[in-house]
Amino acid sequence: DVKVTQSSRYLVKRTGEKVFLECVQDMDHENMFWYRQDPGLGLRLIYFSYDVKMKEKGDIPEGYSVSREKKERFSLILESASTNQTSMYLCASSETNTEAFFGQGTRLTVV
Amino acid sequence: AQSVTQLGSHVSVSEGALVLLRCNYSSSVPPYLFWYVQYPNQGLQLLLKYTTGATLVKGINGFEAEFKKSETSFHLTKPSAHMSDAAEYFCAVTRWGNTGKLIFGQGTTLQVKP
Repeated sequence: DVKVTQSSRYLVKRTGEKVFLECVQDMDHENMFWYRQDPGLGLRLIYFSYDVKMKEKGDIPEGYSVSREKKERFSLILESASTNQTSMYLCASSETNTEAFFGQGTRLTVV
Repeated sequence: AQSVTQLGSHVSVSEGALVLLRCNYSSSVPPYLFWYVQYPNQGLQLLLKYTTGATLVKGINGFEAEFKKSETSFHLTKPSAHMSDAAEYFCAVTRWGNTGKLIFGQGTTLQVKP
C-alpha cells in the first residue's frame, strides 16, 4: 500500500513564526502536492512538484514556499505564519497517470 | 478552465436508504473524475475513479458513479446507506496532464440517521 506520512497531526504556532510541514511518501512517486482544506471551499492546491528540486505554483501559493531535495520528501514552508493560514494541510503523491494518495493531514493553528 | 460543483453541502439519509451525492463538472478536455471520502480527522481515501472506458464505475464500500458526458455529471450512489458511511465526500476533476493536480468540489457531508 502507498503510504504518505505527514510529520505532525496537530501544530500550534505563533504569528510570525517560520513553520515547516513535512511529508514523506514511500512509493517512489514522481509527483507530490500540498493542498489546503477549508470548510465550504474543498481542497485547494498550494504547490506541487514533479521532480526533485522542481516546483510549480498552484492556485494559492501566496505566503507559502516548498522544498523538494529528495524524491520521497516534500516540505511546505510558511515563511511568516499568519492567522489566516490556520487550516488543514494535506500532502499527496501520485504518478502522472494514477490517482493521488493523501496523507492524514496536519491541522495547523496560528495564534 | 475546469471546475467542480457539488450540489448540497449536507445530505441526510436514513440507514438503509439510497445515497445520492451530486457532482457536476466543467472541463475543456476529456476529464478524469474522482470521488474521495474523508472520515473525521483523517486524510482523503479514494472511493472510485473514471478515466476512460466504461462510464459506470464501481468503487469500494458498495459505492458507484456514472459518468454522463451529456449532463457533465458524475453522481455518486449507494443503494443502502450504512452508519459507517457518515463522512465528507469530495468530487474532483483532474487537470490535463497530471492526475494529481486536482480541482475539488466544496464537499458534501453525509449524515446517516439510525
